[in-house]
Amino acid sequence: QVQMQESGPGLVKPSQTLSLTCTVSGDSINNGRYFWDWIRQPAGRGLEWIGRVYSSGTGYSPSLKTRVTISLDTSKNQFSLRLTSVTAADTAVYYCAGAIGYHDFWGQGTLVTVSS
Amino acid sequence: EIVLTQSPATLSLSPGERATLSCRASQSVSSYLAWYQQKPGQAPRLLIYDASNRATGIPARFSGSGSGTDFTLTISSLEPEDFAVYYCQQRSNWPQGMYTFGQGTKLEIK
Repeated sequence: QVQMQESGPGLVKPSQTLSLTCTVSGDSINNGRYFWDWIRQPAGRGLEWIGRVYSSGTGYSPSLKTRVTISLDTSKNQFSLRLTSVTAADTAVYYCAGAIGYHDFWGQGTLVTVSS
Repeated sequence: EIVLTQSPATLSLSPGERATLSCRASQSVSSYLAWYQQKPGQAPRLLIYDASNRATGIPARFSGSGSGTDFTLTISSLEPEDFAVYYCQQRSNWPQGMYTFGQGTKLEIK
């Protein structure tokens, strides 16, 4: 069973870069079976897909693609999210998720607040 | 971008009753639609994929139907643990991905 855990700062200042890491256990991140995604959820609101990394590339939400980078670190069995130029609108619970067609595995989520 | 509209926003029912949740897409998504359950403070859980297939470990009281633009999640007889928020999700642009979610239906105890 794949397990996932997000980590990173809970507070980021406006205009700075949000950086989160997802540690995967129970399977190799490099096995080619899964896509590794980030999804976020502002408090009391719905879910927004941010983007993904997989063995042969990446894909990003059109609304965020100019600010997002998602990358793999196979040596640590981790993948990471970088979101630049953050504003208060980026305050949310950020989830990492593993997907085949859909999101089968999720981390518990980590709250990131953008505030000075 | 494909927009998913869920109805109703809130559904108030009692344990043992049948729940019917709807999801409508702004254009056809074929059968590329999933349903998730989310309880407070938890990550979403995949229930149904490709419109009508139950995910691993999901009880048989959960069923999905539909194709094209109109989809339904049915819970045949509500258990106390089923009261939660339910989201539909569509996927497109394989493999780079593009997923959108509906705004959710809150299933609450009457």
